[in-house]
Amino acid sequence: DAKTTQPNSMESNEEEPVHLPCNHSTISGTDYIHWYRQLPSQGPEYVIHGLTSNVNNRMASLAIAEDRKSSTLILHRATLRDAAVYYCILRDRVMEYGNKLVFGAGTILRVKS
Amino acid sequence: EPEVTQTPSHQVTQMGQEVILRCVPISNHLYFYWYRQILGQKVEFLVSFYNNEISEKSEIFDDQFSVERPDGSNFTLKIRSTKLEDSAMYFCASTPDRISSYEQYFGPGTRLTVT
Repeated sequence: DAKTTQPNSMESNEEEPVHLPCNHSTISGTDYIHWYRQLPSQGPEYVIHGLTSNVNNRMASLAIAEDRKSSTLILHRATLRDAAVYYCILRDRVMEYGNKLVFGAGTILRVKS
Repeated sequence: EPEVTQTPSHQVTQMGQEVILRCVPISNHLYFYWYRQILGQKVEFLVSFYNNEISEKSEIFDDQFSVERPDGSNFTLKIRSTKLEDSAMYFCASTPDRISSYEQYFGPGTRLTVT
């Protein structure tokens, strides 16, 4: 599985946007970029995924660099409930479903009120 | 919204005992997974299961571990003879079998404490 690199932790103020970076310089052409998050004492939760184009959903936006070697998860207005560990994960499109998730250490996001 | 459920939420057992962790995946899902997370560490894949057989397993998933789908709703993880190092949160996940689905839906986890 291709490796991802994320900062260990980030801090944000409530109601402000948060940009969570992820580097994946060895990404292959068939790798999707997935983001999951894990709230305290809960199981991981899907946030968003993309291949080449930027993506938006009700939870977040995903901005993907043109060369696909990096991506950024954008929370438009952080709330206290967004405090969690955020994981950037690459998954091969060829085995898109039925394929395991390989979690790294992720980024711990702290949100200040 | 449908969700994955797991029971029990917390299981305490003595070293060497057998434990069975139970999961009820979302009803129309066909792929099932177990992951574990030792306190303070990464979430680790254990096993995936499809069409009543294991499709992939990790090095952690040795002969002490087994999975079963005994009926149309439950998905279980059995550890035959628990060790202290099996203490962890165990998460079940499921995925629907359709091309448009990319999400794995995780349960709340079972905390296993081996004493």
